[in-house]
Amino acid sequence: NAGVTQTPEFQVLKTGQSMTLQCAQDMNHEYMSWYRQDPGMGLRLIHYSVGAGITDQGEVPNGYNVSRSTTEDFPLRLLSAAPSQTSVYFCASSLTRGWNQPQHFGDGTRLSIL
Amino acid sequence: DAKTTQPPSMDCAEGRAANLPCNHSTISGNEYVYWYRQIHSQGPQYIIHGLKNNETNEMASLIITEDRKSSTLILPHATLRDTAVYYCIVKDTDKLIFGTGTRLQVFP
Repeated sequence: NAGVTQTPEFQVLKTGQSMTLQCAQDMNHEYMSWYRQDPGMGLRLIHYSVGAGITDQGEVPNGYNVSRSTTEDFPLRLLSAAPSQTSVYFCASSLTRGWNQPQHFGDGTRLSIL
Repeated sequence: DAKTTQPPSMDCAEGRAANLPCNHSTISGNEYVYWYRQIHSQGPQYIIHGLKNNETNEMASLIITEDRKSSTLILPHATLRDTAVYYCIVKDTDKLIFGTGTRLQVFP
């Protein structure tokens, strides 16, 4: 049982490049989400999904796209990377949506945009 | 915006109990209080959560006041490995809204 797995661990991009951050969970969790964390700050919600085929925007969605074609995977796409997107990205999942469901986080992807 | 207020930093001697306070005066009836911690730049680690009763697990205890406007996370015997940023979060339906947390430094 691997939990929440994020790849890659580190990535350097040039401005304007595109890439996909991968997130997978093997716990059959319905709810998945993406956060970013900038230096010295708490995590901010980018996008989330309450089940396959359903996604919604969080606090800071601009510049990011998501899709949820399977229960297990929730990739985050940067279509045209900007230096302001330099951050650490965390994926999280929980069994279902709702107040009484703790979310479990992956180890993060450290992304630098030059 | 985060619905919680925490002190920015605290110190604790190794082996002693660490008591981390949190104010959440605008909490509503269905909202749970969650605690996470983040060690260095690792992913946040879930610690404990509760609604209105005190909760205890293998990591910590959570004490919630009767009016639910504040809570305290208790690490009963802090170790150096407990040095981390601790986040108190009032969960907004299915979203975790993080504040800046409390940086706990455990010293020998």
